[in-house]
Parts: sequence; C-alpha cells; structure tokens
Amino acid sequence: EVLLVESGGGLVQPGRSLRLSCAASGFTFDDYAMHWVRQVPGKGLEWVSGISWNSDDIGYADSVKGRFTISRDNAKNSLYLQMNSLRVEDTALYYCAKGPELLWFGEFDHWGQGTLVTVSS
Amino acid sequence: QAVLTQPSSLSASRGASVRLTCTLRSGINVGIYRIYWYQQKPGSPPQYLLKYKSQSDKHQGSGVPSRFSGSKDASANAGILLISGLQSEDEADYYCMLWHSGAVLFGGGTKLTVL
Repeated sequence: EVLLVESGGGLVQPGRSLRLSCAASGFTFDDYAMHWVRQVPGKGLEWVSGISWNSDDIGYADSVKGRFTISRDNAKNSLYLQMNSLRVEDTALYYCAKGPELLWFGEFDHWGQGTLVTVSS
Repeated sequence: QAVLTQPSSLSASRGASVRLTCTLRSGINVGIYRIYWYQQKPGSPPQYLLKYKSQSDKHQGSGVPSRFSGSKDASANAGILLISGLQSEDEADYYCMLWHSGAVLFGGGTKLTVL
C-alpha cells in the first residue's frame, strides 16, 4: 500500500523558514517523480513544486520560485521542501503527491494527508 | 485570465449524468494537452480519477468506476469530465489539471452537489 506522510508544518512568523518532509513507503520511491501541492482551507489546489525520479527535472510555481527548494533523499525514501522567506500567503495545507514512474509529466496518483503551514505574526 | 476555468458549482439529480467542464484560456489549444481530473471530498486529499487526451490516449485511475469518463469539446476549447449514473457519494469537489510549459496548473475546482 502506498503511504505518504507529511510532517514539519506549524506556525511560523513571516520571513522565517520551515522545512517540510514527506516519508514514502509501499512503492519503489526512487523510480517516481514527487510533488508538493498546497491548498488554502476552503480554496482550490495550487501546485508548488515537483522533482523527477533522478532529480534531473525540478519545477516551481512562480509564486514560490527563489524562496522554496525541493529535494529528495532516495536512500531515505523521503521528499523535502525547504521554505524560506515565508509570507502570510504561503499559509496552506501542504500535500505530498506521487507522480509517474520514470517520467516527469503525468498524474499524481497518490496523495498524503497534508501538513498545515500557518504563517502569521 | 486564468489558464483553466471551471464553473464554481454544479448540481444534478441522483441517477442523472453531468458534464464538468474545464475551459482553457484562448490561445491554449486543448487538443495538445492531457487533461487530468481529481475528486476531493471534505477533509480528504484529492484522488486521481483519470486523464484524457484522445480516445487512443486516456487512462482510468485504479479502482475508478467506468461511469467516470473523459472527453474534449474542441469547439469550446474544453476538457470534459462526464459522470453518468450519479450517486450520492459523487458529491465532491472536482479539479482539472494539466502540464503547461513545464509546470502544473489546476483549475479552480467545481463543487458538485447531488440532489
């Protein structure tokens, strides 16, 4: 069974940093692209960032480019999102999502339950 | 103007069929894109339903009933999610998605109410 468990969310002041983690199990992690998608409670989905299986392809939404960094540790079956210079508008539930096997483009076929990030003074 | 536009809400009766649209901004041709569809119920993460580019390039998510299907309306420049035989458990938010210029874009979502 595919399992994605996010952690690292919490309350942080504007301008500070936070690092999210996603622990994956139930599939061969290093063969799959992985992504972060966020959702303001009661609002729609926004793709944040993605990374290919071998880290050759990395993408960011314009809203986070230059502030967020995605990375993965295939030995630890883990995905990360380093979030710097946080803004109030970054407040959201952050989901980890599994992408396609050995491809960059494709569907997100499994999602975690999310970790809540609140940016407020 | 947003790249992907979905009606904010839709309602239909149990047993009926409903078409959820995902309209692409003018100048972005729906014909060249795979459109992905997700269902999200309150308090739960989104679930992948299907993807559709053409009749020969489509995929149903694992365990997704065949009454969920995808298509396109080229004249409207839109992707379509068709749900037939509506059931009460189909009441949810539905999001379309596509890959555009190396990034992922989501529509604003449609809240489907089953009467």
